Amino acid sequence: GAVVSQHPSWVICKSGTSVKIECRSLDFQATTMFWYRQFPKQSLMLMATSNEGSKATYEQGVEKDKFLINHASLTLSTLTVTSAHPEDSSFYICSARGQGGYTFGSGTRLTVV
Amino acid sequence: GIQVEQSPPDLILQEGANSTLRCNFSDSVNNLQWFHQNPWGQLINLFYIPSGTKQNGRLSATTVATERYSLLYISSSQTTDSGVYFCAVSPGTASKLTFGTGTRLQVTL
Repeated sequence: GAVVSQHPSWVICKSGTSVKIECRSLDFQATTMFWYRQFPKQSLMLMATSNEGSKATYEQGVEKDKFLINHASLTLSTLTVTSAHPEDSSFYICSARGQGGYTFGSGTRLTVV
Repeated sequence: GIQVEQSPPDLILQEGANSTLRCNFSDSVNNLQWFHQNPWGQLINLFYIPSGTKQNGRLSATTVATERYSLLYISSSQTTDSGVYFCAVSPGTASKLTFGTGTRLQVTL
């Protein structure tokens, strides 16, 4: 079945630094990938849709300059949290559509101190 | 955008009990999936079920697309069933998924 690999699983960074999260589709090509954010005990909220070879489409209220998304190939999308602050601490999850619906990465728990 | 409500929000069961989780959505959908989020955050795809009924072991799901709801049945619950169950929908087959509010399930001994 479809597998999406996400790295790192967790990261702690200092306030003001940038963090990059990678999302790879291992056994299928994904022209579109999706990035979600989940705060504790809440549902997943879509941040942006990542399109291979073009600019990402951001949801209302998501800062484009803070959450940089790059989808350079059919199997890799990256999310960079720039100038991270404690309020950016959250669980970030990517997904891609394969056979049988959408498949999700294992998530990245970001803590900004 | 499409609204997705799940009920109940919280559920506590004794091991061995059965339960039904409900997902209501506000508009027509071409894609509906049920997920189980384990304590480590991993989303496990349970069913891809835009319509009809499917079964997988102790779990089964039914979606009545014309009435805009889906049900997830868990029979003979086990402690490993604990976690959060989400339904997620999209209006098109390649559109973004909108997640429901979730049902937090705790199965006790």
